[in-house]
Amino acid sequence: DGGITQSPKYLFRKEGQNVTLSCEQNLNHDAMYWYRQDPGQGLRLIYYSQIVNDFQKGDIAEGYSVSREKKESFPLTVTSAQKNPTAFYLCASSIGRAANQPQHFGDGTRLSIL
Amino acid sequence: GQQVMQIPQYQHVQEGEDFTTYCNSSTTLSNIQWYKQRPGGHPVFLIQLVKSGEVKKQKRLTFQFGEAKKNSSLHITATQTTDVGTYFCAVLSGYALNFGKGTSLLVTP
Repeated sequence: DGGITQSPKYLFRKEGQNVTLSCEQNLNHDAMYWYRQDPGQGLRLIYYSQIVNDFQKGDIAEGYSVSREKKESFPLTVTSAQKNPTAFYLCASSIGRAANQPQHFGDGTRLSIL
Repeated sequence: GQQVMQIPQYQHVQEGEDFTTYCNSSTTLSNIQWYKQRPGGHPVFLIQLVKSGEVKKQKRLTFQFGEAKKNSSLHITATQTTDVGTYFCAVLSGYALNFGKGTSLLVTP
């Protein structure tokens, strides 16, 4: 089945540690996105990528980094500079590069601080 | 980019009652998308509205885009417990989507 796979489902981070969240899609979608969701909040855009080897900052990019070396992969690194990383992280993709296409989401990764 | 305000933030209904959530913008929207997120799950795309005054139906769900393309609504007729979740609207913001904060629906049997 085609879809988006996020791993791990749960992740714990120690103080001062960088962690990387994986996002892989086999939908052959051009665009990929990372969102952060806090309890009772909507989705806030961290980074997005419309094409391989190119990505753009979203509304809350500080303390995060991404790469897009392959079309199907868009990993997110939560760096130690992100002081409040506890949240639910969602990866999404959409066909084409236009933002007005429906987005397909992975099951998410819940990140907590030890 | 375009921003939207979604109301209400929460809604608690008895099963069988109707439910409506609204998405409002101060600027004209090019289009609007609606998503549903079940508790513990991920958002799932429901529908996209593009035309002024557009009305689309999916079984008990009715989606409407305002004539001025500044607001939209999602109406559920005769809610069921399977309708529980958070409903988000999303609008175009540059090259990405801007999501509203959502309306959380709780349905009591």
